[in-house]
Amino acid sequence: EPEVTQTPSHQVTQMGQEVILRCVPISNHLYFYWYRQILGQKVEFLVSFYNNEISEKSEIFDDQFSVERPDGSNFTLKIRSTKLEDSAMYFCASRRGQGLGYGYTFGSGTRLTVV
Amino acid sequence: AQSVAQPEDQVNVAEGNPLTVKCTYSVSGNPYLFWYVQYPNRGLQFLLKYITGDNLVKGSYGFEAEFNKSQTSFHLKKPSALVSDSALYFCASWGTDKLIFGTGTRLQVFP
Repeated sequence: EPEVTQTPSHQVTQMGQEVILRCVPISNHLYFYWYRQILGQKVEFLVSFYNNEISEKSEIFDDQFSVERPDGSNFTLKIRSTKLEDSAMYFCASRRGQGLGYGYTFGSGTRLTVV
Repeated sequence: AQSVAQPEDQVNVAEGNPLTVKCTYSVSGNPYLFWYVQYPNRGLQFLLKYITGDNLVKGSYGFEAEFNKSQTSFHLKKPSALVSDSALYFCASWGTDKLIFGTGTRLQVFP
């Protein structure tokens, strides 16, 4: 069964450093997403991406965040200058189409720890 | 704003007993509701969804969920729990091309 692959599984970074979280969505999927879960809290939507541009972003997704699909297979989330409160599990997801009929496939997540 | 609530952080149940994981929702318009499960070191996996129709929805791995409009609930159920069902369960609602998740409930099934 096709999978969404996320790397690394765990990343520790110092506050103020830039991090790039990587995702390889399923090859024939067109819609891409990032969600995050701060420990003990709900999974929150960050951003959706289609046709090489952001479709929607949440209030969390401020200027410190950016997404990119640099080579047609990877989908990355960059945090420019990490803060302690960015520590969370970050999930990538992809879908083949929009609408309720198309299911999401999630990756296993990257646990980001900012120290 | 739309939201879902999972009032229990953890549910413990003995193997072979029925299990229920609770979810309530607050949405405007028609609710579209989902259950996902996360096993250790795995991504969120789809279990089932309610869009319309029969209030009892059957999903993967023997799970089912009952949509109750009057109680604004969408509880996940299974008649006989397995130890392998132990995982983190998330309820979610549909919010126009994105999912709105609850905080998750950890299900622990004891042998």
